[in-house]
Amino acid sequence: IQMTQSPSSLSASVGDRVTITCRASRTISAYVSWYQQKPGKAPKLLIYSASTLQSGVPSRFSGSGSGTDFTLTITSLQPEDFATYYCQQSYNALWTFGQGTKVEI
Amino acid sequence: EVQLLESGGGLVQPGGSLRLSCAASGFKFSIYAMTWVRQAPGKGLELVSGISASSTSTYFPDSVRGRFTISRDNSKNTMYLQMNSLRVNDTAVYYCAKALGPTLENSDAFDIWGRGTMVTVSS
Repeated sequence: IQMTQSPSSLSASVGDRVTITCRASRTISAYVSWYQQKPGKAPKLLIYSASTLQSGVPSRFSGSGSGTDFTLTITSLQPEDFATYYCQQSYNALWTFGQGTKVEI
Repeated sequence: EVQLLESGGGLVQPGGSLRLSCAASGFKFSIYAMTWVRQAPGKGLELVSGISASSTSTYFPDSVRGRFTISRDNSKNTMYLQMNSLRVNDTAVYYCAKALGPTLENSDAFDIWGRGTMVTVSS
């Protein structure tokens, strides 16, 4: 199963609403997670099961979607949110990641 | 403190072998599936192996199947990745990551990650 993320990069300002999408090559129910990665650091889990916020993650992050189309939304971008974001599918215990979206100032 | 600490990376020639270790602390290691995820320089993430809590099931993508093996010792809170027949394109940072559940089938995400260990395959 291929995961196609868009856009591959975007420029935004503090306070902006940001939306990143991920499209699966076949239907995968809600088996999607989202991660944030900063340079030189390990990924951090933000969202799992398409819309469940991981403990400790700020509520400005949210996820939605089912089937083939999924979205990560950041409602009010903060300085610490500039990073690369990856979606990941886990349908049938086969895991693949999207290619990443770099959110830049 | 919940922590994963990888070790064992380094420089190896093509065709060589390495064994990575992942030491866990701060959580009940024996009840969670565990995985290895790699990231080539400047590239995205690729899951290269997974193992259930009881070691009864494992996962490998086509890119490493037959060359990599995964194991764990729940008495030592440690997971291992044995990498044989290494290729130049295996060069990457290797992260270990904890799954949300005890089996690979019900582990749709990974909530704890180590800092990673660099593996360089070059002559």
